[in-house]
Amino acid sequence: DQQVKQNSPSLSVQEGRISILNCDYTNSMFDYFLWYKKYPAEGPTFLISISSIKDKNEDGRFTVFLNKSAKHLSLHIVPSQPGDSAVYFCAASEWGSQGNLIFGKGTKLSVKP
Amino acid sequence: GAVVSQHPSWVICKSGTSVKIECRSLDFQATTMFWYRQFPKQSLMLMATSNEGSKATYEQGVEKDKFLINHASLTLSTLTVTSAHPEDSSFYICSATGGPGYGYTFGSGTRLTVV
Repeated sequence: DQQVKQNSPSLSVQEGRISILNCDYTNSMFDYFLWYKKYPAEGPTFLISISSIKDKNEDGRFTVFLNKSAKHLSLHIVPSQPGDSAVYFCAASEWGSQGNLIFGKGTKLSVKP
Repeated sequence: GAVVSQHPSWVICKSGTSVKIECRSLDFQATTMFWYRQFPKQSLMLMATSNEGSKATYEQGVEKDKFLINHASLTLSTLTVTSAHPEDSSFYICSATGGPGYGYTFGSGTRLTVV
C-alpha cells in the first residue's frame, strides 16, 4: 500500500505562471515532509521541507503547504521557469528529519516558454 | 503497480562486519537500479547505477570495493557494505526504472547504524 501518493504523473505549465504539485499521504505518524527535484541522469536534489508543526514553509519561489487534517501537501512554484522542468518527488518520514524517507512516484513538470 | 521493496528497513551491525541490502522490483522488470545515500540537509547522493547483468557504474568518490553492488536479475539488486565503519552509518535508498519512458520508483530505504 502506497503511503505517499502523487496522483498526477505529469503537469504542464506556461512560463511565469504558478505550478502546483500535489502529494497525499496515508500514515498519520509522518511528521516531516520533503520535496525533491530530479533532472534526467541525476540523483534527486533536496528542494524544501516542512515539519508537521507548521502549515507553510517558503523559500524563494518555492512554497510548501501542509494540510494535516487532509493528509495533503503541495508545492507551489511561482513564477515557473523553464529550468524548473524536472521530476518532483514528495517524501515523508516519521521521527522528523532522522526517519527513513518514503517517496511518492513523482510528477513530471514541464514549463513551456 | 511499480512497487520496489527494500530490505531490511533498518539494521545495526558491529564495526568490521558486512551488511547486505536488497532492492526488489515486485511487479516490473527493473532494467536499471540506482543506489543513494542520504547526507545531512536531506541531500541524496547517487552512489551507483546498475544495469541488469553488467557491472555497476560508480559515482566519483564512491569506493566500489567497499560498496559492492550486484544486479543479477531484472528484479533484484543488492548493495553490500563491506567492513562497515561508524562513518558508513546512514540512510541508503534504492530506486528502479523499467527503462526509458518509465518513471522512477523508490524503495523504502534502509537505516544502517554501525556501532
